[in-house]
Amino acid sequence: AQSVTQLDSQVPVFEEAPVELRCNYSSSVSVYLFWYVQYPNQGLQLLLKYLSGSTLVKSINGFEAEFNKSQTSFHLRKPSVHISDTAEYFCAVSLMDSSYKLIFGSGTRLLVRP
Amino acid sequence: KAGVTQTPRYLIKTRGQQVTLSCSPISGHRSVSWYQQTPGQGLQFLFEYFSETQRNKGNFPGRFSGRQFSNSRSEMNVSTLELGDSALYLCASSLLPGMNTEAFFGQGTRLTVV
Repeated sequence: AQSVTQLDSQVPVFEEAPVELRCNYSSSVSVYLFWYVQYPNQGLQLLLKYLSGSTLVKSINGFEAEFNKSQTSFHLRKPSVHISDTAEYFCAVSLMDSSYKLIFGSGTRLLVRP
Repeated sequence: KAGVTQTPRYLIKTRGQQVTLSCSPISGHRSVSWYQQTPGQGLQFLFEYFSETQRNKGNFPGRFSGRQFSNSRSEMNVSTLELGDSALYLCASSLLPGMNTEAFFGQGTRLTVV
């Protein structure tokens, strides 16, 4: 069975500081990896994804994540956060098959303080 | 291009009643998935539909059911509501099944069972 672990339920950080949100997964088969963001009273928005190729993937708003197969991790980083980055972030995996099923971690609340 | 539309946004029901939630995918998208989000269990996969066929189902009791129409719109139904069914129900659509195509989420329907 597959599982996703986000060890940090909440990460407080000051504006313009760097941040890392950790994500580890467990799977006996190859997976696709995703980070989603959820703002209050909103649905989920895809932040970035790793399907294949370069292990470092980047979003348009400055976030990046690196797939590490040996450590089964997909940590999310941003070198300088803004107040507007305050949200809940979810790491998710999906099997590399035709099934359309995302397995989510429990989420990490990023709280950016001025 | 309109996003994924879920109706209603908010719903209050009494224990024992049944409820139907609706999801209109992005125009041209043929795959629709449903997720339940609760503070205790997080985001859990309910089911996925493609071309009016349920292709994948999560670990939920038979009280939870769904269907997809020929225009790709989908509904999910929960019968004999329990207090624990209170949750945010999220619908996601994609062009095709398979996680190498991006999933777009709606804003969700918040169901409260009293």
